[in-house]
Amino acid sequence: QSVLTQPPSVSGAPGQRVTISCTGTDSNIGANYDVHWYQQLPGGAPRLLIYGSKHRPSGVSDRFSGSKSGTAASLAITGLQAEDEGEYYCQSHDSVLSGSVFGGGTTVTVL
Amino acid sequence: QVHLQESGPGLVRPSQTLSLSCAVFSGAIKTDGYYWGWIRQPPGKGLEWVGYIYYNGNTYYNPSLRSRVTISVDMSKNQFSLTLGSVTVADTAVYYCARGLIGYGNFDSWGQGTLVSVSS
Repeated sequence: QSVLTQPPSVSGAPGQRVTISCTGTDSNIGANYDVHWYQQLPGGAPRLLIYGSKHRPSGVSDRFSGSKSGTAASLAITGLQAEDEGEYYCQSHDSVLSGSVFGGGTTVTVL
Repeated sequence: QVHLQESGPGLVRPSQTLSLSCAVFSGAIKTDGYYWGWIRQPPGKGLEWVGYIYYNGNTYYNPSLRSRVTISVDMSKNQFSLTLGSVTVADTAVYYCARGLIGYGNFDSWGQGTLVSVSS
């Protein structure tokens, strides 16, 4: 069971907007630690999508955006494309564990 | 753009020690602002943080693995290493090395990953 909770799956038609939630507690997201998001395409390594809750690294499409409020964060994907299919993970820091924690992952399916 | 490459045995016997190395290219390990970590992913499952090390040698480990794990850095080879003792089949996973950004706490560069199977 992961420290950060994500929905197992989300889906949408091409062009639609989908959101993935990441729920934590007062020892991680709620303690004002940043949330980061990674995309893992089938057979590949994770790739940083969002850092610092809302910042995009260079080279990441502006179709991806992040936000955080209270003990939760979310990743939004707009203009959904077939190439977006894959697994998405959130990550933060936990003060009780004194280290990084990940969500369980969310599978994005393009219908 | 920094590049990381894992190396090590793909098969380890139960109760033995898993040892992996991560070579860092196009960037020095002794660089302010970064730390160096290991993350693993059992087949078909999610990501699990194993631990990380700062170039000054300070280490932080996942509490669930702390009694069995050691991460070290070799500045002369520009690489860092992971050892995990007393392995069981539950330690079978793809092991990734990654660079972490101090301050934000994200991993901005990842190796391709290496599968380590624990089996007799």
